[in-house]
Amino acid sequence: DQQVKQNSPSLSVQEGRISILNCDYTNSMFDYFLWYKKYPAEGPTFLISISSIKDKNEDGRFTVFLNKSAKHLSLHIVPSQPGDSAVYFCAASATGGGNKLTFGTGTQLKVEL
Amino acid sequence: DVKVTQSSRYLVKRTGEKVFLECVQDMDHENMFWYRQDPGLGLRLIYFSYDVKMKEKGDIPEGYSVSREKKERFSLILESASTNQTSMYLCASSLGGQGTYGYTFGSGTRLTVV
Repeated sequence: DQQVKQNSPSLSVQEGRISILNCDYTNSMFDYFLWYKKYPAEGPTFLISISSIKDKNEDGRFTVFLNKSAKHLSLHIVPSQPGDSAVYFCAASATGGGNKLTFGTGTQLKVEL
Repeated sequence: DVKVTQSSRYLVKRTGEKVFLECVQDMDHENMFWYRQDPGLGLRLIYFSYDVKMKEKGDIPEGYSVSREKKERFSLILESASTNQTSMYLCASSLGGQGTYGYTFGSGTRLTVV
């Protein structure tokens, strides 16, 4: 049972435009959400996170939005750059869950010149 | 610079072999995790550990075991490798306690079982 879902396996965006990556979850106990970025042959690296007490968190070109009622989060990248081309994973955890992260299936973002 | 180091980047093993994947972290983290990454399935948790000599099953522990004899080292063992264990294996560590902390991942081990 996939508790964290990324329904778009791939996304292609032009350089300079906005990239929007989406993630849905089913477990209402999740209260902390993270986005990781992964290049080929490297481990995932942390990008940005958000607690369920917030609905938005910004860090430079990256913004994460959380809609708790819809159990949906999204990552916005503005403006998109070629170096952003990577696989993006969303992840979720629940307080008391021992810092165990449940990951989505990933979205391959390609930023074209 | 903090690091999680996985001993091998690429491994090729034969069916039935016992395989050891090693992971070492230098951040004094309490928690360590083993995931596998497969196309279309994302990252799936195999085993994790909150402390030395402690281990807990993740979502897909069948065919695997782990060992944590020292805080900095977490080993994943494939008792008898099978072709369906061909995958990218990722080790991660994090701080312990009640908070939620991001993981630091190693670079991964691409295992091929033939």
